[in-house]
Amino acid sequence: AQKVTQAQTEISVVEKEDVTLDCVYETRDTTYYLFWYKQPPSGELVFLIRRNSFDEQNEISGRYSWNFQKSTSSFNFTITASQVVDSAVYFCALSEKGSGNTPLVFGKGTRLSVIA
Amino acid sequence: GAGVSQSPSNKVTEKGKDVELRCDPISGHTALYWYRQSLGQGLEFLIYFQGNSAPDKSGLPSDRFSAERTGGSVSTLTIQRTQQEDSAVYLCASSLAGTGSHEQYFGPGTRLTVT
Repeated sequence: AQKVTQAQTEISVVEKEDVTLDCVYETRDTTYYLFWYKQPPSGELVFLIRRNSFDEQNEISGRYSWNFQKSTSSFNFTITASQVVDSAVYFCALSEKGSGNTPLVFGKGTRLSVIA
Repeated sequence: GAGVSQSPSNKVTEKGKDVELRCDPISGHTALYWYRQSLGQGLEFLIYFQGNSAPDKSGLPSDRFSAERTGGSVSTLTIQRTQQEDSAVYLCASSLAGTGSHEQYFGPGTRLTVT
């Protein structure tokens, strides 16, 4: 069965600090997709990144970077030089290729608070 | 372009009443998903529509929950005889196709409160 674990329930950092949000997943499928979503206080889930299981290259987008390691089944998310606007709940999610039915399985989320 | 829209944004209902929640997906998106977000359970999958295929109802918590999608576009989630444990934010998402390779875009949600 597929499962996503975000062990950090809440993290609080001071502005300009770097912060890493952990995500560990479980799946029996060899083809799968990993996602990160941001849920700001307004409530709407915002897509950040998708990564497929065959692409282990790390990705950087501005202050955001993602580290995908199949050996440890992890897909961690780092925010460099955090800002107050980064305060939100961040969800890691998994989708298996399977038979084509691909709802997302979400972790419980990590609430990030960036303090000015 | 327009994103996923949901209505109403908030709904307060009495226990035992039926409610209907509406979702308008992004134009051209063939896959539509309903999720529920509650404090104790996080984000849970409810039901999934892909084109003209039979929906995947495996996430529906009870037979009081049902959903339909008309004309391959708008979807309605119906909860009959609402219970207090149904209180949650109901999120709709759509994607270009039903394969996991496409990201899902979420609507703002409907906050349901059952009193």
